[in-house]
Amino acid sequence: QVQLVQSGAEVKMPGASVKVSCKASEYTFTNHAINWVRQAPGQGLEWIGWISTYQGNTNSAQKLQGRLTMTTDTSTSTAYLELRSLRSDDTAVYYCARSVVGTWGAFDIWGQGTVVTVSS
Amino acid sequence: QSVLTQPPSASGTPGQRVTISCSGSSSTIGSNTVNWYQHLPGAAPKLLIYSNNKRPSGVPDRFSGSKSGTSASLAISGLQSEDEADYYCATWDDSQNGVLFGGGTKVTVL
Repeated sequence: QVQLVQSGAEVKMPGASVKVSCKASEYTFTNHAINWVRQAPGQGLEWIGWISTYQGNTNSAQKLQGRLTMTTDTSTSTAYLELRSLRSDDTAVYYCARSVVGTWGAFDIWGQGTVVTVSS
Repeated sequence: QSVLTQPPSASGTPGQRVTISCSGSSSTIGSNTVNWYQHLPGAAPKLLIYSNNKRPSGVPDRFSGSKSGTSASLAISGLQSEDEADYYCATWDDSQNGVLFGGGTKVTVL
């Protein structure tokens, strides 16, 4: 079935980098943008960025610009999120999510989530 | 900085109708469509309503959405125990050039 499968949990030291993958299956990868959303412990959902899987252009939340890189590998239908200079408040569950075509903010397929823990 | 304001909690008994509000501004809800998500603990969020009032395939018609001006609402009719979850609204924010989520509303079935 149509799904997004993410890489496993990560534990990182403050100042390190983390790269999370999101592999799509059973649909045409380049037909839908991929978004990244995170949820810190006890907090709500936070959109952190978007990548066009067709053209590769990106847009990210202003608070993370400069620390965030989103890429795709269309040969493997995989999207990647890299976050650098990690801080304790980056600790969260990170989700990738597929955009509904022609909409902004409507995500119909979600990955299972990747727990990223930043701790010394 | 733009915000989408939701009540922190809502509740009802089985069979009742519950409504959740989402208040924004001219740069958010006022000029863009609204989407709603259901989030159960330990699971990925689920899209319930998109483009103000459209339901993805498989979402029961007990869930409905509406928008007026700079506010939107999600209604759950015939409340069921499995509807106990957190609900989020989301829309595009023209001023931040990104997607904005509301703070979430925890629905409790009494």
